[in-house]
Amino acid sequence: QKEVEQNSGPLSVPEGAIASLNCTYSDRGSQSFFWYRQYSGKSPELIMFIYSNGDKEDGRFTAQLNKASQYVSLLIRDSQPSDSATYLCAVKSVRYSTLTFGKGTMLLVSP
Amino acid sequence: DVKVTQSSRYLVKRTGEKVFLECVQDMDHENMFWYRQDPGLGLRLIYFSYDVKMKEKGDIPEGYSVSREKKERFSLILESASTNQTSMYLCASSPRGLAGVVKDTQYFGPGTRLTVL
Repeated sequence: QKEVEQNSGPLSVPEGAIASLNCTYSDRGSQSFFWYRQYSGKSPELIMFIYSNGDKEDGRFTAQLNKASQYVSLLIRDSQPSDSATYLCAVKSVRYSTLTFGKGTMLLVSP
Repeated sequence: DVKVTQSSRYLVKRTGEKVFLECVQDMDHENMFWYRQDPGLGLRLIYFSYDVKMKEKGDIPEGYSVSREKKERFSLILESASTNQTSMYLCASSPRGLAGVVKDTQYFGPGTRLTVL
């Protein structure tokens, strides 16, 4: 069974704050983890990927992975109104040959 | 940059019509995917393909078929469109790799919003 769970939100944060987006997955064989951003009416675009336990930083974005807890998160520092979007978590396992997507968390950053 | 294009951004069809959605990628990717996205249901995989003339069913293949005659092109076919197929359709592609997370990354086209009346 492949499940990826995300809180649907909306998650509301003020401009300049840290936004924390969370994702849990059920398949312990999962190896690769992705965060996509999707603006309303647009298609998903890749933000980051991570495959090792720990943190991975890219600019204002940090992905965190804890395989023991089956948990992956995305931190957005210094949040901007332009970060307002739906963030999709996706997981790739060895057993299944495709990505499994969560339903996404809507982030709203208020000026 | 990876570029995935889809034939139409918006499409309106009538119930019972045969509908073709085209997807083209210019990065020589082996893998191509068709999803539909509906509010509250997220992205659902319809079909995918790992090679020319090869196809695999995803989670919701009923009512759809696909064709991949050339590596760069992957078509989704609605044999007889129904109102419950009104949705946003997204095509994606990814390179093939034996290992390495980068190889699993999927790149999406702009999407086709299909309305079936």
